[in-house]
Amino acid sequence: KAGVTQTPRYLIKTRGQQVTLSCSPISGHRSVSWYQQTPGQGLQFLFEYFSETQRNKGNFPGRFSGRQFSNSRSEMNVSTLELGDSALYLCASSVELTGELFFGEGSRLTVL
Amino acid sequence: AQSVTQLGSHVSVSEGALVLLRCNYSSSVPPYLFWYVQYPNQGLQLLLKYTTGATLVKGINGFEAEFKKSETSFHLTKPSAHMSDAAEYFCAVSKYGNKLVFGAGTILRVKS
Repeated sequence: KAGVTQTPRYLIKTRGQQVTLSCSPISGHRSVSWYQQTPGQGLQFLFEYFSETQRNKGNFPGRFSGRQFSNSRSEMNVSTLELGDSALYLCASSVELTGELFFGEGSRLTVL
Repeated sequence: AQSVTQLGSHVSVSEGALVLLRCNYSSSVPPYLFWYVQYPNQGLQLLLKYTTGATLVKGINGFEAEFKKSETSFHLTKPSAHMSDAAEYFCAVSKYGNKLVFGAGTILRVKS
C-alpha cells in the first residue's frame, strides 16, 4: 500500500511569491491534516480536512489556505511568502478522526 | 488550552540501556495522548496511542508508555536501546480529531 505522497519535496521561492504544495493520502483515507515544522516553533497544526470540509484550522494568517478534493487529495497554498515561512510542511492522512496519523516525508520550503 | 512539555531536548543512552523519555501534558478534558518518532529526513511515525482503558500502552519497536492521570504524565520507555532507536521523539495531545498539539521533541542518541 502506497504511503502519503507529498510534492514537491524541495522548493525555493523568493519573498512575495506564492507556493502550492500537494498531498496524496493513503488510499481509503478521508482525512488530511497539514503541519508546519520549524526549528524555532516546532510542529504546528495548520488545518484538517475530512471529506472535502475543513474541520479545524490552526493559528496561522489568512495567507495560508488549503483545500481537499473529492478524491481526498489535498493542496495547501501560501501567498505573499515571508522569510519566516521557510519550513518543512508535513501532510498526514488518516482513516477517521482518531489522531492516528500517517505522515508523508514533507515538502521543504526555503524562502529567500 | 492544551500543551505538552517534553523534559530534555536531548537524551543520550548506551546501547542496551533503558530508554526513558519524559512527557507531561495539560488538558482541561481527558485527552488522547500519542508518541511519534521522526527519523532524519522523514515524516513522523506513530509509536503508540492512549485513549481510554489500560494505562500501560504498548507500541511498536518495543516501546511502551504509561498514562498517569495524577501526574499528568505519559512517559515513553524501552527496556533496551538499540542503535536504530536514534531519532527524534515527539509527545502529542489531542482532545478530538486530528488536531494534535506536539511537544518540542526529544532527540535520542544511542551510544555503542
